Amino acid sequence: EVQLLQSGGGLVQPGGSLRLSCVASEHSFSRDAMSWVRQAPGKGLEWLSYISRGGGTTYYADSVKGRFTISRDNSKTTLYLQMNSLRAEDTAVYYCAKHVTESLSSDVWGQGTMVTVSS
Amino acid sequence: ETVMTQSPVTLSLSLGESVTLSCRASQSVSNKLAWYQQRPGQAPRLLIYAASTRATGIPARFSGSGSGTDFSLTISSLQSEDFAVYYCQQYDDWPPITFGQGTRLEIK
Repeated sequence: EVQLLQSGGGLVQPGGSLRLSCVASEHSFSRDAMSWVRQAPGKGLEWLSYISRGGGTTYYADSVKGRFTISRDNSKTTLYLQMNSLRAEDTAVYYCAKHVTESLSSDVWGQGTMVTVSS
Repeated sequence: ETVMTQSPVTLSLSLGESVTLSCRASQSVSNKLAWYQQRPGQAPRLLIYAASTRATGIPARFSGSGSGTDFSLTISSLQSEDFAVYYCQQYDDWPPITFGQGTRLEIK
């Protein structure tokens, strides 16, 4: 089964930027649509962004639209989330997630990476 | 945006008991409904998709039902590893994909 390994979290000041990465263990990555989901401390799950298998279609939650950019490099089996203009309310654990074929449920998740926005 | 509402927020049960968790959508989502389990410090784990299809490797004691706006997840004969938070998710009316606020299952 494919595994997703995340990196790139950390502490950043308000207004700053951060890029998250999510590397898939198998080259079947190119056949899978992907999303980013986050979870603020003690809170529930919030879907953030979706990207199609080829990268040509992307969607965003209103809370991050215009600030975050999802992308992928299928040759490197890597998913990215570029986060700009970060705010305190962006503090959360961020997960990448693979969608089930022909479904938008997610059957494989990364381990999560913590992003803390604070001065 | 389709709002997902789960009930109850918290449930306290004993090992071996059975439980049914509820999830209601603010509008019909057909059968585009998934259930996830999240244990403390772990990523969510897909249990059910398409309202009633068990994901790979999920034990038969987990079952999902419903369509339209009302859905349920039943766990029969609770085991210690089942005490966790459960989320429903709709993926019919999207973007955005939306989650319920979660139901916490506690050991009595």
